[in-house]
Order: sequence, then C-alpha cells, then structure tokens
Amino acid sequence: EAQVTQNPRYLITVTGKKLTVTCSQNMNHEYMSWYRQDPGLGLRQIYYSMNVEVTDKGDVPEGYKVSRKEKRNFPLILESPSPNQTSLYFCASRLDRTLSQPQHFGDGTRLSIL
Amino acid sequence: GQNIDQPTEMTATEGAIVQINCTYQTSGFNGLFWYQQHAGEAPTFLSYNVLDGLEEKGRFSSFLSRSKGYSYLLLKELQMKDSASYLCAVRSSFNKFYFGSGTKLNVKP
Repeated sequence: EAQVTQNPRYLITVTGKKLTVTCSQNMNHEYMSWYRQDPGLGLRQIYYSMNVEVTDKGDVPEGYKVSRKEKRNFPLILESPSPNQTSLYFCASRLDRTLSQPQHFGDGTRLSIL
Repeated sequence: GQNIDQPTEMTATEGAIVQINCTYQTSGFNGLFWYQQHAGEAPTFLSYNVLDGLEEKGRFSSFLSRSKGYSYLLLKELQMKDSASYLCAVRSSFNKFYFGSGTKLNVKP
C-alpha cells in the first residue's frame, strides 16, 4: 500500500531534550516536505527536499533541521525543543514530474513540549 | 509576503450546494490545490487548478481566476460525511507551498 509513515504519532517531552520525528514513503517520490499545523494558522511549511541531499527552508524553519540521505526518508530533528514547537506535524511527499501532482500526507505527529 | 485567505467556518444543509472561496497573493503561481481534512486526520487531495476555469470531479468542482487571485471549491449534493475542513494551497515559485488556515464546513441534517 502506497503510504507516508511518520513516527512517533504522539510524543510528550521536555524543553531542551533533542528529538527526531521520522518520515518514510514507499512511492519513490522525489519531493518531501514537513509542515506544522496550528489552530488559526493552517499548515505552514518547515523544510522541503527536492531529492536526495537537496533540502531547502520553508516558511518557518527556525529551530528545526532535516536531512535527506536516502530518497525514502526525511527525518525532522528538533535539537533543543521549546514549548512554542508544540504542534501537530505532518510529513508529505509528491512525485515531482508534473505540476499537478498532489502531496500525500502522513497521519501526523502530535508533539507536546513541556 | 504570502497570503491565502479563506472563511473560517461555514454551515450548510444536507443535499444542498456550498461554495468555499479562497483568495491568494503569492510570489509566483504554479497551481492551486484543494484538500479535505477530517478532524484529527491527514489532509487528502481533492482538486487542482493551474489554468483559469472550472475543473469538475464528481460532486466536487474547483474554479480558478489567476488575474483575480481567486478560487472556489463547489460541493454539490452535500452529505453528512462532507463535514470537514477544506484547505486551499498555492504552489508558488521555488516549489514552496502556502496553505490557507482552512474552512470548517458543518453539514446539518
């Protein structure tokens, strides 16, 4: 089954404790992206990647890191999480051959930073 | 800056037609997407427009006017399961995506 898989689905942690949210897709998609979703603000793009070893900042990259060492994986790293990073996070991927290709989203990761 | 505007919430009756509007101002334009998101779930793709005009897909249609920076999603023969948030997203230059804050649609019997 074609899917985008995120782990963990839920995490409660404390300020300053490094964490990684994994994202994996099995559709051989070139483009992958991370978003955070907050009430009243909608989905905001954090980072995206056009292909292996190619990453770029989205609208709200501060406090986050990403890497794209393999095509299928795109982890999101919070080196020193802070309470303002409490949010619902979505990973997405898309085939980048034509403009019309939509993004496929993972089920989301709800992060609470205390 | 980038700006995508949608109404926050709408209510409609089962069996009716509803139109959800989206206006945008972005640096560059490479297409507009509509997604549906049920509470607590991932967004799922509904429609795509890059040229002016109407795209029809069953009960759902989407319209685009690039000169006006305007799109709408039309839902016909509303069903209770259509109660969800509807997200408008623009692909700007440089492969960035900008989303509106979503329109929560309540369908009542």
